[in-house]
Amino acid sequence: SQKIEQNSEALNIQEGKTATLTCNYTNYSPAYLQWYRQDPGRGPVFLLLIRENEKEKRKERLKVTFDTTLKQSLFHITASQPADSATYLCAVSGSARQLTFGSGTQLTVLP
Amino acid sequence: DSGVTQTPKHLITATGQRVTLRCSPRSGDLSVYWYQQSLDQGLQFLIQYYNGEERAKGNILERFSAQQFPDLHSELNLSSLELGDSALYFCASVAPYGYGYTFGSGTRLTVV
Repeated sequence: SQKIEQNSEALNIQEGKTATLTCNYTNYSPAYLQWYRQDPGRGPVFLLLIRENEKEKRKERLKVTFDTTLKQSLFHITASQPADSATYLCAVSGSARQLTFGSGTQLTVLP
Repeated sequence: DSGVTQTPKHLITATGQRVTLRCSPRSGDLSVYWYQQSLDQGLQFLIQYYNGEERAKGNILERFSAQQFPDLHSELNLSSLELGDSALYFCASVAPYGYGYTFGSGTRLTVV
């Protein structure tokens, strides 16, 4: 069955450093991979989408890479700030656009 | 405010009861997706509607049902509630030619 793994349930980093989160998937060939941010008790917020034919996408301090050979996506936050502390979710979909989510990585940026 | 409205925000009910959760999608969005989020399961896809028609089903129990009305709001009905149904229930909508989901703030259901 399809499986999405986000290693590191929790990640602590120092303010100003680059946070790197990993998403691996198995038994799936997604057409799209998305990253969301979720704060406690709130709904996830869409951050970035990358297509299967794209290697990298950037948005301000965020960068996503997509390696379909390794079946892996990396999500980077550069110059991290305490306000970036949240749970980050990886999600994959095919052409049907229905998303399957990973369990998330809880990021804490320490001042 | 994301533009997706969910009511109620909190719901406490007893086992065996039935509840209805409501969702209004963002203006212009035709798709509504329902997700359940519990501590041990993460976000689980339940069901999708598009312009009033059911499009996809996920891990939705037979005790649960949903519909989307002509004005595009959707309702998720949960019946014969069990303690394990306690969770956050989110709905999300997507623009007709977009991909990123816009989630509502969720309904926290507690079954006692």
